Amino acid sequence: EVHLVESGGGLVKPGGSLRLSCAASGFTFNNAWMIWVRQPPGKGLEWVGRIKSKSSGGTSDFAAPVKGRFTFSRDDSKDIVYLQMNSLKSEDTAVYYCTTGYSDSSGGYHGDDAFDIWGQGTMVTVSS
Amino acid sequence: QSALTQPPSASGSPGQSVTISCTGTSSDVGGYNYVSWYQQHPGKAPKLMIYEVSKRPSGVPDRFSGSKSGNTASLTVSGLQAEDEADYYCSSYAGSIILLFGGGTKLTVL
Repeated sequence: EVHLVESGGGLVKPGGSLRLSCAASGFTFNNAWMIWVRQPPGKGLEWVGRIKSKSSGGTSDFAAPVKGRFTFSRDDSKDIVYLQMNSLKSEDTAVYYCTTGYSDSSGGYHGDDAFDIWGQGTMVTVSS
Repeated sequence: QSALTQPPSASGSPGQSVTISCTGTSSDVGGYNYVSWYQQHPGKAPKLMIYEVSKRPSGVPDRFSGSKSGNTASLTVSGLQAEDEADYYCSSYAGSIILLFGGGTKLTVL
């Protein structure tokens, strides 16, 4: 069975840092593009960013509100992706989900537009 | 860039059909056939319901259908059932910005 499990959330002061982890199982992680999506309490979904598989270049892209403050890394030997969050602001308070691109039945891969495996989310609260 | 525009709420009685709209621009919804829809029940992770405007992943009932006209995409839920009550989010590939989500629509089954 496929699984994504996030961890590392918690309470952090403004300006602080936090590293989230997302552990994968049940699928070929090294081929997967890993995406983070966040959801502030009571609000909608927001795409945070994505790291491609190493075979696709391993590059990352980020949403404008987090660019320059957040980074991704991945350890394909452990099937884990990390989200390093620095200079945290109150507006970063949210549930953070990791997810992965969808492989459709025609062989297409949707790393940037459709996401089918989701973790349960981890809560990040930025407050003094 | 702003989020895609969805109505905050929609409703219908069991057995009826309801359509949720998702309006963007020519730089996102109108420019690419990469619109997806997600269903999210309270306290749960989103679930992919539609991809590439109108395609359903395996296991999604055919009561769910998607379409697009110009800069507006739509999700139609036919034969409404109680378990369809949830929040629904659209998303669209947006080129260099990568991906935008809509603000979400709360679907109530009356």
